[in-house]
Amino acid sequence: GAVVSQHPSWVICKSGTSVKIECRSLDFQATTMFWYRQFPKQSLMLMATSNEGSKATYEQGVEKDKFLINHASLTLSTLTVTSAHPEDSSFYICSARGGRTGFLGQFFGPGTRLTVL
Amino acid sequence: GESVGLHLPTLSVQEGDNSIINCAYSNSASDYFIWYKQESGKGPQFIIDIRSNMDKRQGQRVTVLLNKTVKHLSLQIAATQPGDSAVYFCAENQGAAGNKLTFGGGTRVLVKP
Repeated sequence: GAVVSQHPSWVICKSGTSVKIECRSLDFQATTMFWYRQFPKQSLMLMATSNEGSKATYEQGVEKDKFLINHASLTLSTLTVTSAHPEDSSFYICSARGGRTGFLGQFFGPGTRLTVL
Repeated sequence: GESVGLHLPTLSVQEGDNSIINCAYSNSASDYFIWYKQESGKGPQFIIDIRSNMDKRQGQRVTVLLNKTVKHLSLQIAATQPGDSAVYFCAENQGAAGNKLTFGGGTRVLVKP
């Protein structure tokens, strides 16, 4: 149980285009979803927290107009990287909380590798 | 700001030996801690968690120890196997900040056959 999926697993796009990444909780309803980015050989950096039906809360330094987050249902959150540039190339990972009573941790998706040319 | 950090970036261990991964945290208000395992190109996988009112918790081949006095967390892996090779992250739950997780820098564990 508590499986989180992401789509696509990898994407290559041209500079200036937008890319949408989907995050789904497959067998539970996620009260909260999170988006992280991870550069090679580095730790996970939280970008934003998303609750179903409300606006996402972005971490300091993360541009909300560039990284659009939509959390339309208890099982789906999307991250859209708008006007992508090479410096946006990274490993984007979502996570979800819920599905296990008393568990304060998060279940992570497999990640999406974004390469911007 | 406060953060979670690790003492050792890389740990090489002989197959069959025990592994110990250490983590220091600085936020005394943290109430919950988790260890994750991340294999190359994959998302983090939950290993074990511990609440701040405990000092030890055991799982299958893994044990987490929490020392709140010195703000130290460790993960012990018994009889390390090749499949244990990965990067291990400790994460600290900030309940007062909306239950967000702050991740440590990570420790790479290399299991030698």
